[in-house]
Amino acid sequence: AQKVTQAQTEISVVEKEDVTLDCVYETRDTTYYLFWYKQPPSGELVFLIRRNSFDEQNEISGRYSWNFQKSTSSFNFTITASQVVDSAVYFCALSGYSSNTGKLIFGQGTTLQVKP
Amino acid sequence: KAGVTQTPRYLIKTRGQQVTLSCSPISGHRSVSWYQQTPGQGLQFLFEYFSETQRNKGNFPGRFSGRQFSNSRSEMNVSTLELGDSALYLCASSPSQSTTDTQYFGPGTRLTVL
Repeated sequence: AQKVTQAQTEISVVEKEDVTLDCVYETRDTTYYLFWYKQPPSGELVFLIRRNSFDEQNEISGRYSWNFQKSTSSFNFTITASQVVDSAVYFCALSGYSSNTGKLIFGQGTTLQVKP
Repeated sequence: KAGVTQTPRYLIKTRGQQVTLSCSPISGHRSVSWYQQTPGQGLQFLFEYFSETQRNKGNFPGRFSGRQFSNSRSEMNVSTLELGDSALYLCASSPSQSTTDTQYFGPGTRLTVL
C-alpha cells in the first residue's frame, strides 16, 4: 500500500532556529515522485518541490533544503534560520494512484509555528 | 500565467441546502482534482476529472458530485448539506492525467454549514 507518514504533528521553534520536518513514505512503485507543499493560514496549498525517485541529490533553495534518502524511504525538509513567515502547515505527498486517493497521497501534515 | 481560481472563497449554508463550487484551472491544464480538508480528517480526495470525464472518486457519498466542462473548468456540487460538510474545499489542476505531474492548488472555498 502507498502511504506517507509525517510523525511530527506540531513543531514550535524560535525565529532563526533551524528546523527539520520529517517525511517517510511507503510505495511498491519503482518510479514515483515526492512533493512538499506549504499551507499558510490563508489556506492555499503552495507547491515547494517535486523530486523523482531516481534523483537522490539533495536540493537547496535559499533557506530551504531537502534530503531524499531512498534507503530509508525518507524525504525530509529543513528550513534554515526560520522566520515567522515560515509558520504554516507543511504537507509531504507521494505520487501514485489508487481508487480513493487520486494522484497524490498526502501525509497528515506538520504544523510549524515560528515564534519571534 | 494565472493560477488556479476558485469561487466563491467563502460560503455559508444551512443544513439541507445544496451548494455548487467552481474551479478554473491553470490555462492549458486539463486535469482537475478536488479535495476536502477538515481538521479531523486532513486532506481527503473527492474526485478527479480529465477531458470532461470523471477518472476516479474518493470515498464520499453520492451527495458529492462534480463535472468538468470542455474548457476544463470544473464544478462540484454537494446536495442535502450536513453539518459535517463544513470544510475547506480545494481544487488542484495539472497538465495531464499523469500521476507524475505537479498539481497546483487554488485558494480553496471555505464552506460553513449551519
